[in-house]
Amino acid sequence: AQSVTQLDSQVPVFEEAPVELRCNYSSSVSVYLFWYVQYPNQGLQLLLKYLSGSTLVESINGFEAEFNKSQTSFHLRKPSVHISDTAEYFCAVTGSSGSARQLTFGSGTQLTVLP
Amino acid sequence: DTGVSQDPRHKITKRGQNVTFRCDPISEHNRLYWYRQTLGQGPEFLTYFQNEAQLEKSRLLSDRFSAERPKGSFSTLEIQRTEQGDSAMYLCASSSPGTTNYGYTFGSGTRLTVV
Repeated sequence: AQSVTQLDSQVPVFEEAPVELRCNYSSSVSVYLFWYVQYPNQGLQLLLKYLSGSTLVESINGFEAEFNKSQTSFHLRKPSVHISDTAEYFCAVTGSSGSARQLTFGSGTQLTVLP
Repeated sequence: DTGVSQDPRHKITKRGQNVTFRCDPISEHNRLYWYRQTLGQGPEFLTYFQNEAQLEKSRLLSDRFSAERPKGSFSTLEIQRTEQGDSAMYLCASSSPGTTNYGYTFGSGTRLTVV
């Protein structure tokens, strides 16, 4: 079984400032890791994922996350945020073996970008 | 590829009534998942189908809940004798079995309000 802890429930930040959303996971097996973004009254959109290979993964809109196995972390970063980045962000984990592979989510971090 | 579709988007029902939600996954995805998301929380896994077979059910899925995927395409989630605690967003996701581009695609969800 896996679990995910998102350490900050709310992160306010000014526009054009850098941001880091923290995610730690627990698992007894190898994992795949994901970040999803959710805008109000919408479903989840995949932001980026780590499956294997390079531990630094990037999204098309400037976010990046680094898989750190020793610290069991997958923190999300962006060097300069925009108002449009305001949303709820969820970190999720699944085991990399086995057939079901349902996702286990953290409780989410509300990112609010202030003008 | 029109993504994952869920119907209805919103449902308001009286306590004790039965409700049914529908999910149409991406056509080439053989795996389909149902999740429930309550306010301020991350999605929680409910059940998983591979083709038409329901392979896993969470303990969250009480006897009042039933899910089907009769022909391995669309799926339905029925809640009988709804309770106020069933109020939540119900999310459907589908995934492809390949591991090189592994990912889940979520629908926009059905928001259930039990009054």
